[in-house]
Amino acid sequence: GENVEQHPSTLSVQEGDSAVIKCTYSDSASNYFPWYKQELGKGPQLIIDIRSNVGEKKDQRIAVTLNKTAKHFSLHITETQPEDSAVYFCAGGAQKLVFGQGTRLTINP
Amino acid sequence: GAVVSQHPSWVICKSGTSVKIECRSLDFQATTMFWYRQFPKQSLMLMATSNEGSKATYEQGVEKDKFLINHASLTLSTLTVTSAHPEDSSFYICSASIGGGVGETQYFGPGTRLLVL
Repeated sequence: GENVEQHPSTLSVQEGDSAVIKCTYSDSASNYFPWYKQELGKGPQLIIDIRSNVGEKKDQRIAVTLNKTAKHFSLHITETQPEDSAVYFCAGGAQKLVFGQGTRLTINP
Repeated sequence: GAVVSQHPSWVICKSGTSVKIECRSLDFQATTMFWYRQFPKQSLMLMATSNEGSKATYEQGVEKDKFLINHASLTLSTLTVTSAHPEDSSFYICSASIGGGVGETQYFGPGTRLLVL
């Protein structure tokens, strides 16, 4: 079945610096890749998504890149702020959405 | 827009009792709703997919007689945990999408924390 691997599991960056989270997927038929942010005790919140017909998408400080040949996609957060601290999940899949293991991002003031 | 609510937000019950969790799409009609379970510090695991008016499709390893799902309308799905046991304690999260395909955006509810004593 589909497998989505996410790295790193934890990431700590200084406020104002950039953060990058990477995911790989196994099913080449996958064509939709959302990223979710989950704060403690809350449900996941969609922050950005990308479809396989584009290579990059940006929304203010957040961007996602997709390399279909290599089957990997990445989340980039620039000018990080303390409120960016949360757990981030990538997802992908052809038959159903499969979530990565999550990355706990901590922004140090 | 695209708001999904869940009720209750948390519930404590005794072992052997049943618990019902509601998932509602507040400002859109959801053809498909999904139920996930999340254990502490772990990822989301899909339990089942439900389409309005149809029987739910359960993931491998999920007992359909234990986790009863009803998707009676385009805005409401319910998950009933029957004869709950301590190992069923978890964070249950639903999501809803307007379409039914895997490429459709899923909007998540706030989750329901279940503690079985």
